[in-house]
Amino acid sequence: DGGITQSPKYLFRKEGQNVTLSCEQNLNHDAMYWYRQDPGQGLRLIYYSQIVNDFQKGDIAEGYSVSREKKESFPLTVTSAQKNPTAFYLCASSDRRVVLNEQFFGPGTRLTVL
Amino acid sequence: AQTVTQSQPEMSVQEAETVTLSCTYDTSESDYYLFWYKQPPSRQMILVIRQEAYKQQNATENRFSVNFQKAAKSFSLKISDSQLGDAAMYFCAYDGGNNRLAFGKGNQVVVIP
Repeated sequence: DGGITQSPKYLFRKEGQNVTLSCEQNLNHDAMYWYRQDPGQGLRLIYYSQIVNDFQKGDIAEGYSVSREKKESFPLTVTSAQKNPTAFYLCASSDRRVVLNEQFFGPGTRLTVL
Repeated sequence: AQTVTQSQPEMSVQEAETVTLSCTYDTSESDYYLFWYKQPPSRQMILVIRQEAYKQQNATENRFSVNFQKAAKSFSLKISDSQLGDAAMYFCAYDGGNNRLAFGKGNQVVVIP
């Protein structure tokens, strides 16, 4: 089945540690995205990538980093510089060649800082 | 960043009845795309319906339909014949053509049996 996988589903981190969230897609999509979701908030864009080896900051990129070495993979690193990292993180992808392209979402990762 | 506003954080509807969720957005663009996504308790985001701004006809997907008022920058979602499985958080989203989505804060829909 084609889709997006995120791992792990739950992640616990001690303060001061970096942690990497995995996102993989087999939909052959060029574009991939990372969002953060907090209670009472909508989804906020952290980083996005339109093509391999290229990515852009979203609205809340501070304290996060990404890489896009392969088309299928777009890992997100939450660094110790992120002051309030506890949140639900969603990865998405889309086909840029399609007009009115929708974003397909993964199941999410819940990150908790202890 | 674009602003998408969803009022009424929580709405209740009786099973088989109709509920309408409101969404307004701020843009200076003439061509753009609008979406409604559903997030059930599983937290999996699912596309419900989409609308292209240059199309005057309102989009419809089975029991889901929209009322797109371009001049008013309004994009409401109507759920007809509500079912228990419709209980979820619904997010309105805007795409100005750069493949970036701006989301509203969501409407929680509670379906009463």
